[in-house]
Amino acid sequence: DTAVSQTPKYLVTQMGNDKSIKCEQNLGHDTMYWYKQDSKKFLKIMFSYNNKELIINETVPNRFSPKSPDKAHLNLHINSLELGDSAVYFCASSPGTSRVDTQYFGPGTRLTVL
Amino acid sequence: AQSVTQLGSHVSVSEGALVLLRCNYSSSVPPYLFWYVQYPNQGLQLLLKYTTGATLVKGINGFEAEFKKSETSFHLTKPSAHMSDAAEYFCAVFNQAGTALIFGKGTTLSVSS
Repeated sequence: DTAVSQTPKYLVTQMGNDKSIKCEQNLGHDTMYWYKQDSKKFLKIMFSYNNKELIINETVPNRFSPKSPDKAHLNLHINSLELGDSAVYFCASSPGTSRVDTQYFGPGTRLTVL
Repeated sequence: AQSVTQLGSHVSVSEGALVLLRCNYSSSVPPYLFWYVQYPNQGLQLLLKYTTGATLVKGINGFEAEFKKSETSFHLTKPSAHMSDAAEYFCAVFNQAGTALIFGKGTTLSVSS
């Protein structure tokens, strides 16, 4: 049973296209996150949602729009893709927003923009 | 501001040797510290975490880490490396608001036979 799942695992697309990455967690957690891992493996928070409400929106271009239809899902939509968007995107979830809560990560989606 | 620095982007050990991965932190509030492991083409898995209490924290797969406030360090150790330990290791600290993890740049551990 996969706790945090992401689809697709690989995504190859052309510059200027619009694409979405889906994330689902079956842990019953209230909080979900999107992280971006660049080519140097540096991980950085992009967004965080708690009970479907946005609580973190780091300095991410507004071409990136997260959507949380319910607590178990947090999707990432990216408009007008650019070369610099190529990265691995990780979804994560945690029981809540307490500092003691462990974040559980999905397997990642490798996005390649040509 | 919260940050972590991982010393050494690449560590190589022989199978059976001690593993030591270094992490120093900077935090304006009592830190909550984490070590995650990333195996090739996989997501991150929590190895261990320090929140409060005992400063020596034991994790999965025989790893442990010691929180040293005086040295602002949270180094990860394992007495005897196994080939299966080869992976990328990330140290992390919660941001000041406690809403997201701030990761170090990672250390690649290689294990040779």
